[in-house]
Amino acid sequence: QLVLTQSPSASASLGASVKLTCTLSSGHHDYAVAWHQQQPEKGPRFLMKLSSDGTYIRGDGIPDRFSGSSSVSERYLKISSVQSEDEGDYYCQTWATGNRVFGTGTKVTVL
Amino acid sequence: QVQLVESGGALVKPGGSLRLSCAASGFIFSDYYMSWIRQAPGKGLEWLSYITNSGKTTYYADSVKGRFTISRDNAQMSLFLEMSSLRVEDTAVYYCARDGPYFYDSGVDSWGQGTLVTVSS
Repeated sequence: QLVLTQSPSASASLGASVKLTCTLSSGHHDYAVAWHQQQPEKGPRFLMKLSSDGTYIRGDGIPDRFSGSSSVSERYLKISSVQSEDEGDYYCQTWATGNRVFGTGTKVTVL
Repeated sequence: QVQLVESGGALVKPGGSLRLSCAASGFIFSDYYMSWIRQAPGKGLEWLSYITNSGKTTYYADSVKGRFTISRDNAQMSLFLEMSSLRVEDTAVYYCARDGPYFYDSGVDSWGQGTLVTVSS
């Protein structure tokens, strides 16, 4: 079964970096994911698509403070030079024919 | 630029029906798969359904299979979600989202602003 696992929360000080992890279920280590951001009281926003080989493509207007990387079944989203507007929920998502799956989301707090 | 605008959200009684619409612009609508995704109050994102670019094939999450129907009108660049037998637990913000192009299934890359559906007596 295709499942994505995310830690419930993470925090970072203003100007520091934070790395979020999304883990693919067993047998699905070659799947790509997309990362989405949801700021408080707003709709989701697409951040990037991240392949299993670590290559990624950011969405339009997404600052280069957001980067991605991969390692086996883990997909990472790194936010560098964290800003106050980066606070919110971050979801990873993957897909297969007939199915789309979201992770449970990670709540990022900016200290 | 890609724009997706949902409409049709409302307060409806349990057992009732509702039709959501999504008007698309800024891209070749007929080239893309499209999805409906929802978010219950205080909860995460839940994928509900997607439809291929031609409209010939549809897929549903188990939670809505048999109750919800996705469709599209490529000439009008519109996506629809017919919801019936609504339950209290269907209360959520419903998002229209652009999925991958037909030649490369690649997940959601654009979102609408959402429309609120409240199911309550």
